[in-house]
Amino acid sequence: GNSVTQMEGPVTLSEEAFLTINCTYTATGYPSLFWYVQYPGEGLQLLLKATKADDKGSNKGFEATYRKETTSFHLEKGSVQVSDSAVYFCALSGGYNKLIFGAGTRLAVHP
Amino acid sequence: DTGVSQNPRHKITKRGQNVTFRCDPISEHNRLYWYRQTLGQGPEFLTYFQNEAQLEKSRLLSDRFSAERPKGSFSTLEIQRTEQGDSAMYLCASSPPDPTGELFFGEGSRLTVL
Repeated sequence: GNSVTQMEGPVTLSEEAFLTINCTYTATGYPSLFWYVQYPGEGLQLLLKATKADDKGSNKGFEATYRKETTSFHLEKGSVQVSDSAVYFCALSGGYNKLIFGAGTRLAVHP
Repeated sequence: DTGVSQNPRHKITKRGQNVTFRCDPISEHNRLYWYRQTLGQGPEFLTYFQNEAQLEKSRLLSDRFSAERPKGSFSTLEIQRTEQGDSAMYLCASSPPDPTGELFFGEGSRLTVL
């Protein structure tokens, strides 16, 4: 069945460091891929998405490229800020557009 | 746009009691989803409604769980005879009729079963 695997956290970085959070998936067909973010005390919100192979999703300085050959959708940011501290979830779309999520990766950014 | 609203935000109950959660989706959204999230895990799909029709239920949704969406507007998720293993955050999400794949989530209802 469809599944998502993402790197375990927590990831702890200093401000302005480079961020990579790995995400790989298993799926039949060609699902859309998503990164959602959950800030402390808030609901899940979409960060970025890609709907087909080689698409790059980007938002708020974050990027991820849909790699069919490696079944990956790694999240990157060139220079993180304290305000980026949150839990990041990789997800793919299944039937009825329901999302299948990874376990989440907690990011802590220190000044 | 008021977003997806969930009530109550936090419910503490004793084992064996029944609880009900309510979700009010974004008004023009006809698709509604329930998820469950436990500590340190990602959200797990429970069930999906398109308008008032419940089109898919996860095997996670035991017979103690029931969800409804009368008239295709708000939805309720009821858990009967709660068990300690039901303690989790219950998330509701909605999406529009012509979905781009994005789900819009509420802040969740946290259930604690003592």
